[in-house]
Amino acid sequence: GIQVEQSPPDLILQEGANSTLRCNFSDSVNNLQWFHQNPWGQLINLFYIPSGTKQNGRLSATTVATERYSLLYISSSQTTDSGVYFCAVDNYGQNFVFGPGTRLSVLP
Amino acid sequence: DAEITQSPRHKITETGRQVTLACHQTWNHNNMFWYRQDLGHGLRLIHYSYGVQDTNKGEVSDGYSVSRSNTEDLPLTLESAASSQTSVYFCASSEYPQGKLFFGSGTQLSVL
Repeated sequence: GIQVEQSPPDLILQEGANSTLRCNFSDSVNNLQWFHQNPWGQLINLFYIPSGTKQNGRLSATTVATERYSLLYISSSQTTDSGVYFCAVDNYGQNFVFGPGTRLSVLP
Repeated sequence: DAEITQSPRHKITETGRQVTLACHQTWNHNNMFWYRQDLGHGLRLIHYSYGVQDTNKGEVSDGYSVSRSNTEDLPLTLESAASSQTSVYFCASSEYPQGKLFFGSGTQLSVL
């Protein structure tokens, strides 16, 4: 089955810094989504982005499907951005496969 | 607003008991999923459904069952709870064929 890797596994930032999280996948996909799991355990859908670039406030995402990777950019990070970021891919109906996540800690 | 709700939020049970976790969505989504989340294993798919009367096994389905009698609900049943099933369980839903995935708040299950 499709393999999903995320890097870095852990990231510590000072408030106000920018960061880039990466998701690599081993096969072509027709669906890629990014999620944020906050410290209370809630999973929030950030982006539905099988290809191209999208922006939502301080967050943006880019997926280059032909090169099998996606990037999540966080600008001017805030303490509320802390948590774990997951990417999930769907390999043409095989259901979503989640990456292991990137744990982000934003320090005040 | 549409939402997806899980109950209970926390559950403690004993080994061998049958347990049912509820999931109810008001998005009118055809697709519904159950995942478990464990340290070191991330999110793993237990069962999923693409519509009423449709159920399918996921990656870690042993010891679990689901039924889909209407669009809104996909209850997850642990037939005979085992300590290895202590986990956080998440229900999710999406539009068909593979739309944006929305999660419930999770159920923390402890099997003693």
